[in-house]
Amino acid sequence: DTAVSQTPKYLVTQMGNDKSIKCEQNLGHDTMYWYKQDSKKFLKIMFSYNNKELIINETVPNRFSPKSPDKAHLNLHINSLELGDSAVYFCASSLRQGFGYTFGSGTRLTVV
Amino acid sequence: KNEVEQSPQNLTAQEGEFITINCSYSVGISALHWLQQHPGGGIVSLFMLSSGKKKHGRLIATINIQEKHSSLHITASHPRDSAVYICAVRYEDTGNQFYFGTGTSLTVIP
Repeated sequence: DTAVSQTPKYLVTQMGNDKSIKCEQNLGHDTMYWYKQDSKKFLKIMFSYNNKELIINETVPNRFSPKSPDKAHLNLHINSLELGDSAVYFCASSLRQGFGYTFGSGTRLTVV
Repeated sequence: KNEVEQSPQNLTAQEGEFITINCSYSVGISALHWLQQHPGGGIVSLFMLSSGKKKHGRLIATINIQEKHSSLHITASHPRDSAVYICAVRYEDTGNQFYFGTGTSLTVIP
């Protein structure tokens, strides 16, 4: 019944590895987002997709690549992980762009 | 331009107290969103408003567009209200993207 689900919830990995975080929403929303929450609890937009099309791509290293196979899924792939990538990553969706959000429970990524 | 400021940053209150958390922004917005992040990390949408006032249970959100300011009030606070409260705004001229404040960490003591 979870509206926006992210997997995994926790991810610990070594520097240099490549990892993916998956996100799925069953709300029928058109728009999905990835946010990064840093150690100071500040949420920053990374990407936004509307109906599988990229609409927002903030200044994020190109090691981060989002993939949206359909409008219910937005996955985040990270290449060559660095220590500074350690953070909590939140997926969210909205009925349409900018109109209310439903957040996933977050993925805590720790790079060692 | 995209600064969203919240105050206070940290707040400790006794159970039963009336709590106010403030959010201010610098330019015109089309909507403002209040969110609650639980200690476990989950984020819940509380209110989205563009004018006036909204109420849900013990929570009240107000916005003054002219003064570029919004407040979130909690009446009869309870320890389960302990969370981080985040304000986010959608600016008029930057499309539909929300910009988030740094949050207010609230602790309600029994």
